[in-house]
Amino acid sequence: DIQMTQSPSTLSASVGDRVTITCRASQSISSWLAWYQQKPGKAPKLLIYKASNLESGVPSRFSGSGSGTEFTLTISSLQPGDFATYYCQHYYSYPYTFGQGTKLEIK
Amino acid sequence: EVQLLESGGGLVQPGGSLRLSCATSGFTFSSYAMSWVRQAPGKGLQWVSTISSSGGDTYYTDSVKGRFTISRDNSKNTLYLQMNSLRAEDTAVYYCARDRGSDYVDFWGQGTLVTVSS
Repeated sequence: DIQMTQSPSTLSASVGDRVTITCRASQSISSWLAWYQQKPGKAPKLLIYKASNLESGVPSRFSGSGSGTEFTLTISSLQPGDFATYYCQHYYSYPYTFGQGTKLEIK
Repeated sequence: EVQLLESGGGLVQPGGSLRLSCATSGFTFSSYAMSWVRQAPGKGLQWVSTISSSGGDTYYTDSVKGRFTISRDNSKNTLYLQMNSLRAEDTAVYYCARDRGSDYVDFWGQGTLVTVSS
């Protein structure tokens, strides 16, 4: 199985900051990676697919990059509604594993 | 508007069974692969199972193989997860999810809580 490792596990930042979350795969997954945002008590929401494609309706301050084994999710200027937990997930081959999550907290 | 509505969760004893259902609307159900993803209390997301649009192909995470069965009824626009031999570690919110191109999830239900406890 392909293991996905996110870093950091927790990130403290302020409104307006630029933040980056990293996701590493245990083997190459090409660009078969998605990013999700989850707020407490809510279902996850798709942000990015195929590593760098922004889902329709998602603000352009979110961006994704990477290929192979290393990927990043960047939020260019944090807004109050962005404080949430973020997950990466590969879809290279089954099982489609998730990273453990990165909790983005208000500093 | 795409809607996924899970039902069937609840409290069950270890070794027991539950059947989850996910009623869908707002899209052509028979054209999409569908998945179940779970989240244990305070923990991260775990992919559980996926079924192809026709129902002919199914996939499971190792920890549920032989115990869980995913199925669908395209005439009723409904997804199912039959869960047998339940264990305490199966306690989680179970999300019904629509897959785009049999790849990533592009839409999630609100989830149903399954608690396995004596």
